[in-house]
Amino acid sequence: DSGVTQTPKHLITATGQRVTLRCSPRSGDLSVYWYQQSLDQGLQFLIQYYNGEERAKGNILERFSAQQFPDLHSELNLSSLELGDSALYFCASSVDWASGGAPKADTQYFGPGTRLTVL
Amino acid sequence: GEDVEQSLFLSVREGDSSVINCTYTDSSSTYLYWYKQEPGAGLQLLTYIFSNMDMKQDQRLTVLLNKKDKHLSLRIADTQTGDSAIYFCAEMEGRGAGSYQLTFGKGTKLSVIP
Repeated sequence: DSGVTQTPKHLITATGQRVTLRCSPRSGDLSVYWYQQSLDQGLQFLIQYYNGEERAKGNILERFSAQQFPDLHSELNLSSLELGDSALYFCASSVDWASGGAPKADTQYFGPGTRLTVL
Repeated sequence: GEDVEQSLFLSVREGDSSVINCTYTDSSSTYLYWYKQEPGAGLQLLTYIFSNMDMKQDQRLTVLLNKKDKHLSLRIADTQTGDSAIYFCAEMEGRGAGSYQLTFGKGTKLSVIP
């Protein structure tokens, strides 16, 4: 158990709908990352938040957005869903990627994932 | 973006050593990681190595880094059936302004034959 929790575990919805995935980081971790894992694309970094602010963006579609709340939990919102959005969505957390200087081996701990199926 | 490449499949007999290879392209990578994903589960960090190291050993795991060739390997000694999983190599990639992200390979599926 990594200490990172994600809900729901499974989500089945229809095309055109909107869903929200939730992540609670490990206690004390300030950074939250979202990843999408699909068979064809592998594990893709979507977005990172650090202490409530967006820190880095990866291959995140405009239909997707995220936020991190004052209690440090994060939500990933996926809208206008398409069949191709079906994937495993992982959240990871870490203490702090960088403190303005050289990076540390700031380990990312992954949650169990949310499996999204778009029909 | 930068690429991390791994072979997709590896099959070994129980008790043998497994060697999973990875190549990366970002020469400024400072840390490289190995993660393990069991069926239906999230990614579990196995080990990491700092780029100024050549080797790191942790029980049955040995990581070798050839920075000149940008080649990373993970050796699992005395491979057990419980080691069957997908193994991901990842590099820490700078994105500017003190921001870093992990770039993952597509994973190597290790199958251990009893």
